[in-house]
Amino acid sequence: GAVVSQHPSRVICKSGTSVKIECRSLDFQATTMFWYRQFPKQSLMLMATSNEGSKATYEQGVEKDKFLINHASLTLSTLTVTSAHPEDSSFYICSAIYTWGAREQFFGPGTRLTVL
Amino acid sequence: SQQGEEDPQALSIQEGENATMNCSYKTSINNLQWYRQNSGRGLVHLILIRSNEREKHSGRLRVTLDTSKKSSSLLITASRAADTASYFCATGSQTSGSRLTFGEGTQLTVNP
Repeated sequence: GAVVSQHPSRVICKSGTSVKIECRSLDFQATTMFWYRQFPKQSLMLMATSNEGSKATYEQGVEKDKFLINHASLTLSTLTVTSAHPEDSSFYICSAIYTWGAREQFFGPGTRLTVL
Repeated sequence: SQQGEEDPQALSIQEGENATMNCSYKTSINNLQWYRQNSGRGLVHLILIRSNEREKHSGRLRVTLDTSKKSSSLLITASRAADTASYFCATGSQTSGSRLTFGEGTQLTVNP
């Protein structure tokens, strides 16, 4: 149980385009999902906390208009990188929890974004 | 911002040896977790230790927590080539809810 998927696993796009990444909890309902960014050989940096039916909470320094998050249902959150630039190239990982206060996060396999 | 520091940053050992990774943190926590990440993949939860616990075991894993020193260690015994991965500690606090702060990670290579 507790499987989280991400789609796509890998995307290459041109500078200036927008890219949508989906995060789905496959066998449980996730009230909260988290979006992380990871640069090569570095740790995970939390970008935002996504709650079903409400606006996402962004970490300091993360641009809301650049990284649009929509938590449309209890099993789906999407991250849209708008007007992507080469510096947005990174590994984006989502995680989900059963309920706020739950300690363990279940991670998706990640999405490799390359902006040319 | 990342509050965890892990050492060593990289560790290379032979199969069968034990691997020890350390994690230090700065603020008060109510739990500390260890995750594993294979190259280019998501993270897998390994073990959670609460702030009132000092040691926990799970299979070949042993985790210790010293809240007075704000540090934790992860020991993998009898390592296997399949243990090759990056290992991250992550801390949760009373005020952060379910949000976790991740350490910098240790890249473990187990040579066959």
